[in-house]
Amino acid sequence: QSALTQPRSVSGSPGQSVTISCTGTSSDVGGYDYVSWYQYHPGNAPKLIISDVTERPSGVPDRFSGSKSGNTASLTISGLQADDEADYYCCSYADSDSVVFGGGTKVTVL
Amino acid sequence: EVQLLQSGAEVKESGESLKISCKGSGYDFSSYWIAWVRQMPGKGLEWMGIIYPGDSETRYSPSFQGQVTFSADSSLRTVYLQWRSLKASDSAMYFCARWPSFVEPLDYWGQGTLVTVSS
Repeated sequence: QSALTQPRSVSGSPGQSVTISCTGTSSDVGGYDYVSWYQYHPGNAPKLIISDVTERPSGVPDRFSGSKSGNTASLTISGLQADDEADYYCCSYADSDSVVFGGGTKVTVL
Repeated sequence: EVQLLQSGAEVKESGESLKISCKGSGYDFSSYWIAWVRQMPGKGLEWMGIIYPGDSETRYSPSFQGQVTFSADSSLRTVYLQWRSLKASDSAMYFCARWPSFVEPLDYWGQGTLVTVSS
């Protein structure tokens, strides 16, 4: 199973919006509505911020939103804040009861 | 509160064996799959496989089949990731994470165990 494709980095100023894409295939992202996104501050445990493409777990600000079109899922962070600077990983359920991750995107708040 | 607590960083030499652990608390440990995920230096996350502590059923990603061993001790609420003979390429951060079901996300993660293998 090949990794999902994410941009290596995105950046934005405080208050702006950034969008991270996550491209897979019909065997993973395109075939199932089971895409999740994780925020990772190195040294801490990764944190689930989006599940099932669009769902936010309790406690996750509504500045974080997810979507999907075809084989590409996206995470949008609106109203960018300094604490949003982190690595973000997408993840998808895939054929044969497996899971595939994206390569990760570093978000920089300028 | 659900928590996964992983064992501390390890520094080993090539060829040595190693077993790292992940201890769960705050939930019915035996009833949730635990996934192992690798992050090599400067790289993304990789799915290694899963273990079900209730009966120790394991499923390995093809890339890791035969390279590592998962095990569990439900009485200790702990799962383990083991290597018989480490290689320098095993140097990475290893995470455990709770997986409620195959169509749900990894909802809680451990803090990671850094494994460094010198050649």
